Amino acid sequence: DAGVIQSPRHEVTEMGQEVTLRCKPISGHNSLFWYRQTMMRGLELLIYFNNNVPIDDSGMPEDRFSAKMPNASFSTLKIQPSEPRDSAVYFCASSFRTPYRGYGYTFGSGTRLTVV
Amino acid sequence: AQKVTQAQTEISVVEKEDVTLDCVYETRDTTYYLFWYKQPPSGELVFLIRRNSFDEQNEISGRYSWNFQKSTSSFNFTITASQVVDSAVYFCALSEAPNFGNEKLTFGTGTRLTIIP
Repeated sequence: DAGVIQSPRHEVTEMGQEVTLRCKPISGHNSLFWYRQTMMRGLELLIYFNNNVPIDDSGMPEDRFSAKMPNASFSTLKIQPSEPRDSAVYFCASSFRTPYRGYGYTFGSGTRLTVV
Repeated sequence: AQKVTQAQTEISVVEKEDVTLDCVYETRDTTYYLFWYKQPPSGELVFLIRRNSFDEQNEISGRYSWNFQKSTSSFNFTITASQVVDSAVYFCALSEAPNFGNEKLTFGTGTRLTIIP
């Protein structure tokens, strides 16, 4: 099992540019989460999906942020236009939890975004 | 609303000393999960333990041990005979999960642990 795969690992972009972060969850996991980590706000949930459907996007900071999950094996987080205050580490996580299979929750390695 | 408090922002101990990291949580649910994660300087989040609200047994894994007390809403983490490799930021997290597929985590602010050789 390759774990949760995020790309790119590092992204440096200029203010105003569009940025797309990608995530491949673990096969069989039915929930996917996007978290952001900054010094000021710590680790905060942006949005999560269950069975590819967005459940709660109340953590998305503003309309410049959007997330999609077109299928069970892929999700994107897009920032358009990017601003310096978006600089952070973005983590993707996937999970499963059923009465019979137990509970698993795995984080990707993160994408470090720097907007200059 | 759920909340996780890690009152210790930074801790420094000399190698081989024992150290305890505190975690206090708030939740209105009777079914929930508690987690500890380690974030080394490389930045990834390393899973250490998950505990459900119905299991108050303490757990020991090598030099690590966890003390879960529902009466005080605490889930403390102790490292015995600390080593330099234990230097990292440690996060406690809570998942209120009455419904399957709804396991978003609320994280504490983390405790930065430095082990001095």
